Amino acid sequence: GAVVSQHPSRVICKSGTSVKIECRSLDFQATTMFWYRQFPKQSLMLMATSNEGSKATYEQGVEKDKFLINHASLTLSTLTVTSAHPEDSSFYICSARDLRQMNTEAFFGQGTRLTVV
Amino acid sequence: LAKTTQPISMDSYEGQEVNITCSHNNIATNDYITWYQQFPSQGPRFIIQGYKTKVTNEVASLFIPADRKSSTLSLPRVSLSDTAVYYCLVGDWKAAGNKLTFGGGTRVLVKP
Repeated sequence: GAVVSQHPSRVICKSGTSVKIECRSLDFQATTMFWYRQFPKQSLMLMATSNEGSKATYEQGVEKDKFLINHASLTLSTLTVTSAHPEDSSFYICSARDLRQMNTEAFFGQGTRLTVV
Repeated sequence: LAKTTQPISMDSYEGQEVNITCSHNNIATNDYITWYQQFPSQGPRFIIQGYKTKVTNEVASLFIPADRKSSTLSLPRVSLSDTAVYYCLVGDWKAAGNKLTFGGGTRVLVKP
């Protein structure tokens, strides 16, 4: 199946700093990418949806100025957690789809474990 | 997106068949049913997708009754490595504005 790569897989940062997470579709063009966060023992919570070349659509309760999403190309989306705090520590996962294709499956990255100390 | 309801957890033993039923009473005409598997600290992995009747691939079968208000994921002869959380998603995947929203999932524990 198609591959979505996230980087880094694990990151530790100091409180107040910013962290950027990359999500790349390696063998297909992703017209749409989704960003999720997941706390231990909980389900994935959708944070935002981004379409290539346009601004991201954020879910209710997600601060767009804190979680900056850029989807400048069909193969790359980035999530920047700005001024990170310990409560931002979580597992962040991206997902990518190509809505132009008949295959309607969404492919997920391996996730990024963010720890803010 | 149609809301889904799944059992919170299920226990099974190696070699047994595991069936997980998902309820989606408000499924729409254009909605597909998709199941994902997630291991700890990994992203979800696609298992199977269907629209109606029965779909089978190398890892699972998906049974969808005529009214499509529920679906059952069947995992034949599970092994310890099938211990994971299984999510049922329902949505019109072809729609440009469709969002992939996860419900609670079913935590399956396979015992030796």
